[in-house]
Parts: sequence; C-alpha cells; structure tokens
Amino acid sequence: AQSVTQLDSQVPVFEEAPVELRCNYSSSVSVYLFWYVQYPNQGLQLLLKYLSGSTLVKGINGFEAEFNKSQTSFHLRKPSVHISDTAEYFCAVGNTNAGKSTFGDGTTLTVKP
Amino acid sequence: DGGITQSPKYLFRKEGQNVTLSCEQNLNHDAMYWYRQDPGQGLRLIYYSQIVNDFQKGDIAEGYSVSREKKESFPLTVTSAQKNPTAFYLCASSRKGQTNEKLFFGSGTQLSVL
Repeated sequence: AQSVTQLDSQVPVFEEAPVELRCNYSSSVSVYLFWYVQYPNQGLQLLLKYLSGSTLVKGINGFEAEFNKSQTSFHLRKPSVHISDTAEYFCAVGNTNAGKSTFGDGTTLTVKP
Repeated sequence: DGGITQSPKYLFRKEGQNVTLSCEQNLNHDAMYWYRQDPGQGLRLIYYSQIVNDFQKGDIAEGYSVSREKKESFPLTVTSAQKNPTAFYLCASSRKGQTNEKLFFGSGTQLSVL
C-alpha cells in the first residue's frame, strides 16, 4: 500500500519570500513522486516529477523538490514566490506494484503582496 | 492543440436523476481516469481504464458508472444511487497507464444538486 501526507493544508507567504510545501509518503517499494499545481476552477498540471537518479528535481515556474529516501519526503520549494503562484498544490506517489497513483489532500499556497 | 476536453463546465442534477459527464482526449493516450475532488480532501479515484472496452473501479466507484467504447472517450455517469454527488469532477489521461507517467488533466466539471 502507498499513502501521501501533505503536512500543511494552508501556507500564507508574502511576495518574494521563500516557500516550502511539505510532502511525506509511505510505500513498501520504490516510488515515483510528483507535484501538481491547480489554479482556481482548472485542472491540474505537472510541476515536476522524480522517477530515479538525482534527488534534486527542477520543475517549471522556478520550483524544485528534493527526494529524501531516509525521511520519506519530497518537499517542494521556491526561493522567491510571486502573486501568480497562488494556487493549490498536490503531491502524488506511484510505485511499480500499484496500478494507480495516490494524491495528497493538497496545500493551498496564498501569496500576499 | 492536443488535450483533454470536459463538458459541460457546470451541471445540475435533480434528485433521482442520472447525469453523464463527457471526457474526450486527442492525445492518443491508452489510459483515462476519473477523479472526484471535494474541498480539503484532495483527489479520489472513481474509475480508470487502461485500454478500450476495459475499466477498473477506483477507491470510490459506488454510485458511478463508465464506459470505454472508443480510445478517445471515457464518459462518467453519476447515478441516482450516488447520494452526495456535489463535487468537482476531473478527467485525466496518461500514455500507457503506468504510475511513472505524467497525468494530463481536463479543466473539470462542477456538479451540483438542485
């Protein structure tokens, strides 16, 4: 079985501040990890993914995430956020034994001017 | 442009009524999925299909039905047995249905009960 926990349901930050959105997972086998972003009343789009190799993954819009196997985490970071980053962010996990991915409950990032 | 089209954007259901949500993709993807999104609960998988004429139940299939008669189409019917249908419904697709693949999402259908 696999599961995902997003540790913060809401994260408010000021514009140009750094941000970290936290994601922990559990799985008995090797995992694939994803971060998706959802703008209001829209579908999700992929920010970045980790399949194997380098543990630091860079994605679109200046976001990056680090896979930490010992801490079973995949936290998303951005050094300086913009108002346009206000959205809901979802962490997702898949593995070779599961027929489907599992999504976390989401983190709402609100960037204030 | 390639992508996933969901229609309608907004849908209202009367009590006892079945309603069907449309999902069409022109990405030539084998796998298609339906998710339900409720505030604060993330995405929950309703049904998925990895090949034409075959589909599997997800985590919350009760009160829903699907068909996959064509590769590009995966309609979802919300039946009268679904007692709490108000939610945002998202359709997605992936190339082969493997869990290391990116999911492509439509823009969603908001279903409400009258």
